[in-house]
Amino acid sequence: DTGVSQDPRHKITKRGQNVTFRCDPISEHNRLYWYRQTLGQGPEFLTYFQNEAQLEKSRLLSDRFSAERPKGSFSTLEIQRTEQGDSAMYLCASSLQGGLPYEQYFGPGTRLTVT
Amino acid sequence: DAKTTQPNSMESNEEEPVHLPCNHSTISGTDYIHWYRQLPSQGPEYVIHGLTSNVNNRMASLAIAEDRKSSTLILHRATLRDAAVYYCILRNYGQNFVFGPGTRLSVLP
Repeated sequence: DTGVSQDPRHKITKRGQNVTFRCDPISEHNRLYWYRQTLGQGPEFLTYFQNEAQLEKSRLLSDRFSAERPKGSFSTLEIQRTEQGDSAMYLCASSLQGGLPYEQYFGPGTRLTVT
Repeated sequence: DAKTTQPNSMESNEEEPVHLPCNHSTISGTDYIHWYRQLPSQGPEYVIHGLTSNVNNRMASLAIAEDRKSSTLILHRATLRDAAVYYCILRNYGQNFVFGPGTRLSVLP
């Protein structure tokens, strides 16, 4: 079990550019979550997948954000036309099913800086 | 979503017990109480969870008040490695985790 991995760990981009992040969950986990975390705050839920189906999206996920999990394994989060307000840590987590109680396993995150 | 209230920060001395409080006066009968912690530059990690009874695991203990309106995470012997932000979260079936700002625990050598 190698845990949840995220790539890249750090990304610096200029405003207006597109960026894509990747998350590899724990292999047998069928649920995958994306969160955003700004300095001094707890993680905020963005969206989650059960297998390849995206089941819920937060209002935080504007039209510039899109997430995919094409084969129910890894996932990508793309931000188009980045803005300075998108600067944050983007966290991915995975879990088995969604019933209670369950544990979410988090990756180390991708820190995005938009200049 | 059910809400929790935690102190912004706490300090502890190394090798002493730490009691981290959490108030959740609006908890419903089916809300589970979860604790996660986030070490510097890492994603959150699971610590413990419970419903009504006190719980123990290798990392910590969770003491739940009889009326379930508050709970306490107990670290029996704090180490420098326990310095982190600790999140107390309520979650019911079908809900997502809602993280507050948590309690920043500092451990002094």
